[in-house]
Amino acid sequence: DVKVTQSSRYLVKRTGEKVFLECVQDMDHENMFWYRQDPGLGLRLIYFSYDVKMKEKGDIPEGYSVSREKKERFSLILESASTNQTSMYLCASSPSFTSGPDSYNEQFFGPGTRLTVL
Amino acid sequence: GDSVTQMEGPVTLSEEAFLTINCTYTATGYPSLFWYVQYPGEGLQLLLKATKADDKGSNKGFEATYRKETTSFHLEKGSVQVSDSAVYFCAFRFSGGYNKLIFGAGTRLAVHP
Repeated sequence: DVKVTQSSRYLVKRTGEKVFLECVQDMDHENMFWYRQDPGLGLRLIYFSYDVKMKEKGDIPEGYSVSREKKERFSLILESASTNQTSMYLCASSPSFTSGPDSYNEQFFGPGTRLTVL
Repeated sequence: GDSVTQMEGPVTLSEEAFLTINCTYTATGYPSLFWYVQYPGEGLQLLLKATKADDKGSNKGFEATYRKETTSFHLEKGSVQVSDSAVYFCAFRFSGGYNKLIFGAGTRLAVHP
């Protein structure tokens, strides 16, 4: 069974702290994504990575950075957490186009990390 | 720009009622379209998809038809169950590549016995 895991389900941090959110997938997928989910706004893409050490900005990258040192792991970093970064963070992965057009389309999601910044 | 507009929730139904959740999109070209579902306390999972005009995606009794002329992909189910209570997201695959998805705001469905 395919699996995307995230390091914490719930996290509480203080303003100004550096925060690391970890995501691991066991499907050997090339693509990995970080979203934030807020009520009424749906999912918004923060960053994505299409290969080890490669990254691209999504729609809302400000205040975030990412790291992909190994294929299975994609980390989201909040350099200096702020209260407006309180949110649900979702990680996802998907195969690359070379795996076939059907598999290319589906993203597999982790259970999410609910982050509260006080 | 590219966007997805879906019906605002919450939608509250009795068991066995008919469900429609509207979804329309604005995009260049002909994107692939998706419905994802998020059950309480879980991440999103793919419910169904359609990759070209007039395709009908179906799964677990849910259906949606890709209507190019109205740029719509409405989700329907003939008889909902309490276990269908969840948040439903419409999405399309970004035309620029790398399998980026554009999501709607989500519609919460609550089904009562």
